[in-house]
Amino acid sequence: SQKIEQNSEALNIQEGKTATLTCNYTNYSPAYLQWYRQDPGRGPVFLLLIRENEKEKRKERLKVTFDTTLKQSLFHITASQPADSATYLCALESNQAGTALIFGKGTTLSVSS
Amino acid sequence: DTAVSQTPKYLVTQMGNDKSIKCEQNLGHDTMYWYKQDSKKFLKIMFSYNNKELIINETVPNRFSPKSPDKAHLNLHINSLELGDSAVYFCASRTGNYGYTFGSGTRLTVV
Repeated sequence: SQKIEQNSEALNIQEGKTATLTCNYTNYSPAYLQWYRQDPGRGPVFLLLIRENEKEKRKERLKVTFDTTLKQSLFHITASQPADSATYLCALESNQAGTALIFGKGTTLSVSS
Repeated sequence: DTAVSQTPKYLVTQMGNDKSIKCEQNLGHDTMYWYKQDSKKFLKIMFSYNNKELIINETVPNRFSPKSPDKAHLNLHINSLELGDSAVYFCASRTGNYGYTFGSGTRLTVV
């Protein structure tokens, strides 16, 4: 069955460092990979989308890589700030009709000052 | 100006009751979804509608019935509520192959 694994449930880093979150998947051929941020008591917020034919995407301090050979995505937050503390969700979607995003369980990032 | 709004935000009810959760989006998106987030924070797709037509119906008990009166609304009706239905339910919408926009969730507690 399809499986998405995010490397750890929790990641603690110091302010100013780069946070790197990992998403691995098996038994799936996604056309798109997305990253979301979720704060406690709130819905997920879309951050970035990367297509299967793209290697890297950037948006301000965020960078996503997508390696379909390794079946892995890396999500980087550079110059991290305490306000970046949240749960980050990796999600995959195929091109097949009648499918929706499937989510990993998330990694909770804590940035300390 | 809320893009995807769900009501109610909190719902506490007894086992066996029937309840509904409403969702509306003002983004002009043509696809809407219901997701369930359990106590372990795992988000799982339940249903999806595209222009009022059901396109995804995952393995969900038939006590759950979605209804889409128009493409801006997707409601979720739950019959004979059980303890295991306690979770946070999220509505979402999207257009094309872009990111989803989620509502703020409805926390359902069955006692």
